[in-house]
Amino acid sequence: SQTIHQWPATLVQPVGSPLSLECTVEGTSNPNLYWYRQAAGRGLQLLFYSVGIGQISSEVPQNLSASRPQDRQFILSSKKLLLSDSGFYLCAWSLGLSNQPQHFGDGTRLSIL
Amino acid sequence: QKEVEQNSGPLSVPEGAIASLNCTYSDRGSQSFFWYRQYSGKSPELIMFIYSNGDKEDGRFTAQLNKASQYVSLLIRDSQPSDSATYLCAVNNGAGANNLFFGTGTRLTVIP
Repeated sequence: SQTIHQWPATLVQPVGSPLSLECTVEGTSNPNLYWYRQAAGRGLQLLFYSVGIGQISSEVPQNLSASRPQDRQFILSSKKLLLSDSGFYLCAWSLGLSNQPQHFGDGTRLSIL
Repeated sequence: QKEVEQNSGPLSVPEGAIASLNCTYSDRGSQSFFWYRQYSGKSPELIMFIYSNGDKEDGRFTAQLNKASQYVSLLIRDSQPSDSATYLCAVNNGAGANNLFFGTGTRLTVIP
C-alpha cells in the first residue's frame, strides 16, 4: 500500500530565515504531488503541484518555491520567510490518472516569529 | 467566484441521529467529487468519493450527487461523537493534474 511521509511535524522559524519541508511517497510510481497551505480556520490553498520529476506548476505567486528532484520526493522551500507564511502545510499525492482522490501527509505546522 | 461552497456550521446533531452535510459547486464540467474528514489539528482524510449521479453508500456514510443541480451531499447515519470533525467537500473539474477545489468545510459536532 502507499504511504506518504512529511516532516517535520512542527517548526518554529524566525522571520527572514530559510525553509525546507520535505515529503516522500512510498508504494507507487510517478504520482502527482501537491503542496497546500491551510491558514488557521481557513480552507486549503493549493500552492504547487507536480506531474513528474522537475515539473512544477505554481498556483499562487509568493516567496515559496517547490522542487521535485526524485519521482517520489517533493520539497517546499523559501529563501526568506515572512510572518504571513505561518500555517499548516500539507503534502498530498494522487495516482497519475484522471479523477483520482488525493491523499494527505500528516502536515507541518509552521510558526513564524 | 467561489468554486465550491459549504455551510461553515457548526452543525450539531445528537448521537445516533443522521448528519447531513451539503456542498454546491459552480463548474458544470466537474467530474469527480470527494469528501474528506479533518479532525482538529490533523490532516484531511478521504472518506468518500462519487463520480455518477445518485447515491453511494459505504458503511454509515452515503454520498449523494446531483449534477443537474450541482450539489453533492454527505449523510452520516447513527452519528457518533467520534464523527465530530470538519468535513471538506472537494471537486475535480478535470483540468490540471487531478487538481481539487476545496470548500472551506463544515464543522460537525455530535452531542453525546
